[in-house]
This record gives sequence, structure tokens and C-alpha cells, in this order.
Amino acid sequence: GENVEQHPSTLSVQEGDSAVIKCTYSDSASNYFPWYKQELGKRPQLIIDIRSNVGEKKDQRIAVTLNKTAKHFSLHITETQPEDSAVYFCAASYSGAGSYQLTFGKGTKLSVIP
Amino acid sequence: GAVVSQHPSRVICKSGTSVKIECRSLDFQATTMFWYRQFPKQSLMLMATSNEGSKATYEQGVEKDKFLINHASLTLSTLTVTSAHPEDSSFYICSAQNAWGDTGELFFGEGSRLTVL
Repeated sequence: GENVEQHPSTLSVQEGDSAVIKCTYSDSASNYFPWYKQELGKRPQLIIDIRSNVGEKKDQRIAVTLNKTAKHFSLHITETQPEDSAVYFCAASYSGAGSYQLTFGKGTKLSVIP
Repeated sequence: GAVVSQHPSRVICKSGTSVKIECRSLDFQATTMFWYRQFPKQSLMLMATSNEGSKATYEQGVEKDKFLINHASLTLSTLTVTSAHPEDSSFYICSAQNAWGDTGELFFGEGSRLTVL
């Protein structure tokens, strides 16, 4: 089955700096890669996703890049703000017969220091 | 966006009792729902995939007789923790996939924190 590795497990940055979280996956058939933000005790919220036919996607301060050959994808947050502090999870899935079963990374706790 | 409601958000029960958690898609039909378990400071671990009208598919190591899943309609899936024990205490989260969408996006419930005394 799919295996997703996520690094780093914790990340502290100064407000205004950039943060980068990296993930690798094992199953070359995976074709959908979402990123979730989870605040303590709350549900994960999708913040951005990318499909295997795209190399990069950007939404305001957030961007995701995908390298299919190397089987890794990264989340980039620019101009970080204290409200960006949360746990971020990457995931990978394969859309087979219409069902998207996600495999999550272990998460990265991001702390943005004011 | 689509809304998934999970209930109850918190439940405390005595050891040996059973607890039912509901996951509802409020504004869309979900042919597939997923149940996850999350330990403190850890990732979401998929427990089972619930398909409407059929038996759930359990991940390796998850006891199907312990964690009963029912997906009787396109908007409701339930997880019943039977004969709960303290080690079952955890945060349980469901997610649902829109039956008519092909985006792959999953919508998560608010989660249910189970404490077994």
C-alpha cells in the first residue's frame, strides 16, 4: 500500500518568514495530493491540493509543488502569520473507481513566532 | 463548501458499554465515508472505508467486531465502539466523499472525543 513520509515533524519560523514542509510517497499510481491544516481538537481543513498532471499550484500565500519522478511534493507558506500555527498533514491517494482513500503523513507542527 | 456533521463531539462512558458516533453529510450525498482514529499529537489513521449499502472495509489491525460501521444511507454512517475499554479512548473523525463530485476532496466531520473510564 501507499506510504507517506512527512518532514519535519516540528517547524518554528519567525512571523513573515517562509515555511516549507516536504512529503514523499511510495505508490507511483497516486494521483491526488491534498494538504490539510488542523488546529487543536478540530477537524482537518483542506488548504490546497494538487493532481499529478500539474507541477505547481498557488493560492495566495500557499503553494504546493509536485515532482512525480521523485515522488515528492511540498507545501510552501510565505509571509507566515501567527494564525498559520497549526498541524499540517500531507496526504496521497489514488482515485480508483471513484473512491479516494487517503494515506496521511505524520504531520508537521508549525509554530509562527510573533 | 460541503458540510459533514459528526455527533457527539464528546462522550464519556464506562468501560464495557457501547458508544455510537454518527457522521452525516448535510448538503450532499456520500457514497463513501471514511473513519479515522487520531491519538494525541499523531496523524489520522484510517480505520475503515464505509460504502453505502455494503459492508465496510477495515484496515489491517482494526477489529471489525469491535468497531461496527453502518452506512445505511447516502447521508449517514455510524461507528459503534462496542464494549469500550480505556484503550479505546481517542479522537475519532469521519470524512465523506461527494458521490457526484469527482474532485477527490474529502470533507471532514468535527470529530468525536471518546473517553472511556
